Amino acid sequence: AQSVTQLDSHVSVSEGTPVLLRCNYSSSYSPSLFWYVQHPNKGLQLLLKYTSAATLVKGINGFEAEFKKSETSFHLTKPSAHMSDAAEYFCVVSGGATNKLIFGTGTLLAVQP
Amino acid sequence: EPEVTQTPSHQVTQMGQEVILRCVPISNHLYFYWYRQILGQKVEFLVSFYNNEISEKSEIFDDQFSVERPDGSNFTLKIRSTKLEDSAMYFCASREARGGFNEQFFGPGTRLTVL
Repeated sequence: AQSVTQLDSHVSVSEGTPVLLRCNYSSSYSPSLFWYVQHPNKGLQLLLKYTSAATLVKGINGFEAEFKKSETSFHLTKPSAHMSDAAEYFCVVSGGATNKLIFGTGTLLAVQP
Repeated sequence: EPEVTQTPSHQVTQMGQEVILRCVPISNHLYFYWYRQILGQKVEFLVSFYNNEISEKSEIFDDQFSVERPDGSNFTLKIRSTKLEDSAMYFCASREARGGFNEQFFGPGTRLTVL
């Protein structure tokens, strides 16, 4: 069965500094991995997805993630945090016959001025 | 830009009452999903729906739950007799049917509170 583990429940960075949100996955076959973001009182928005093409995936708003099979990781990064990046971020793996999404526990990103 | 909508945004009900949560998926999408997030916990898959039938469901989705696409645009989740532990945020999602890795588009959620 597939699963994802988000290693940090809270991350706090200063505006303009790099962001690193960590995610490890478990899958018996080549996974489809996603990062979703949820701003307060908003729905879940897709940031980026990995579907066995390039291992470095670029998403919206300057975010990117690298699929590392040897480390079973799919960490999310951004070179320079912006105040508007403050939100909850979910690492997600797709699985099952209908590609249902299996969510991690989420990482709450705070951006300090 | 097309989006998934959900109504109501908040629903408060008494234990044992029936509730219906409504979703309008994106019009050309063919796969529909319900997820829920209990406060402080992870988002959990409930059910997927395709071609007017349930295609996959989780252990959570017991006989108290049902889904329906009554009119070709709405997609509803019914909880027949609510329990305190059904209090959660319920998200609807939809995706196109081409290929297996299309993005699921989520609605803003319905917060259900069972008293």
